[in-house]
Amino acid sequence: AQSVTQPDIHITVSEGASLELRCNYSYGATPYLFWYVQSPGQGLQLLLKYFSGDTLVQGIKGFEAEFKRSQSSFNLRKPSVHWSDAAEYFCAVGANAGNMLTFGGGTRLMVKP
Amino acid sequence: GAGVSQSPSNKVTEKGKDVELRCDPISGHTALYWYRQSLGQGLEFLIYFQGNSAPDKSGLPSDRFSAERTGGSVSTLTIQRTQQEDSAVYLCASSLGSGYLPYEQYFGPGTRLTVT
Repeated sequence: AQSVTQPDIHITVSEGASLELRCNYSYGATPYLFWYVQSPGQGLQLLLKYFSGDTLVQGIKGFEAEFKRSQSSFNLRKPSVHWSDAAEYFCAVGANAGNMLTFGGGTRLMVKP
Repeated sequence: GAGVSQSPSNKVTEKGKDVELRCDPISGHTALYWYRQSLGQGLEFLIYFQGNSAPDKSGLPSDRFSAERTGGSVSTLTIQRTQQEDSAVYLCASSLGSGYLPYEQYFGPGTRLTVT
């Protein structure tokens, strides 16, 4: 069965600083990988996804992620964080034809002014 | 267009009562998913509907949980004899379908269930 680990439960960065959120997955075949963001009281919004091809994928809101098969990782990055990026971020892996998602535990991002 | 909607947004119920949670997917989306988000378990898959196929119930935690999808559209998640550990946010998602590559899942705002 697949699993996803997000090692950092909380991260605090200063506005304007760069950001990297870690995600490690376990899955026997080629994974379908996703990053979602959840703002307080909101549903989940897809930031970006990786299915195949170029291992560096671009998403919305200036986010990008890099798939590294050798490290079983799919880390999310942003060069300059804005206060509005404060939210909880979830990495997920989709598998099987039904694509039911297995989520990591989430990383809560706080942004200091 | 309208996104995924869920009702009620909040539900408080007494232990032992039954509850029904509703999900209206995006029009034209044939796949529908229920997930649960709780402090202890994080985000976990519950059940998946695709078109007229039999649902994948592999994520349902007990036989107190059931779901149906009428007319390939609206879905209802029913929890019978609620327990305190059922307290969570129940999220519904829909997508265009499933195939060789997965489609994006669009999530609703969730129903926060509190069992007292």
